[in-house]
Amino acid sequence: AQSVTQPDIHITVSEGASLELRCNYSYGATPYLFWYVQSPGQGLQLLLKYFSGDTLVQGIKGFEAEFKRSQSSFNLRKPSVHWSDAAEYFCAVGARNYGQNFVFGPGTRLSVLP
Amino acid sequence: GAVVSQHPSRVICKSGTSVKIECRSLDFQATTMFWYRQFPKKSLMLMATSNEGSKATYEQGVEKDKFLINHASLTLSTLTVTSAHPEDSSFYICSARPQLAGVSGELFFGEGSRLTVL
Repeated sequence: AQSVTQPDIHITVSEGASLELRCNYSYGATPYLFWYVQSPGQGLQLLLKYFSGDTLVQGIKGFEAEFKRSQSSFNLRKPSVHWSDAAEYFCAVGARNYGQNFVFGPGTRLSVLP
Repeated sequence: GAVVSQHPSRVICKSGTSVKIECRSLDFQATTMFWYRQFPKKSLMLMATSNEGSKATYEQGVEKDKFLINHASLTLSTLTVTSAHPEDSSFYICSARPQLAGVSGELFFGEGSRLTVL
């Protein structure tokens, strides 16, 4: 079974600073990997996903993530954070069997200082 | 991208009543939908997998008689919280995977439904 850890529960950065949110997964094969963002009281929005190919994937809102198989990681990055990026971020891993659900990490809450 | 809609977005009910939450895929068909529960400042907990035309598959610890799931069509799944109590108050989110997605695996999420039981 797959599992996901997000070591940082809460991160605070200043607006304009760079950001990296960590995600580590456990899965017996090459997984599908996702990052979702959730604003307070809202559903989840997909930021980006990795299925195969280039290990550096670009997403919406200026986010990118890099899949590192050797480290079982899929860290999310953004070079310059905007105040509107304050939200909860979830990393998820999906098995490659159609119909199976994802496993979500515990989430990292991002606060942005003006 | 594909759109999943939940209704209602917020519902307040009295203890002992039943509440139905709808999850609709607006522009695709989904043989499988998923229902999650999210506690404050917590991650999503999978409650059950809703399968069109068959019984839902519940996760361990989730009461199937308490949380009734019906997936009557390829675009609609409903979650009914029966005899709701204050401890059922939570944020419920559904997701759906397009039937034709094949191995792409992407899930599309609804906006969530905030249930408050008085």
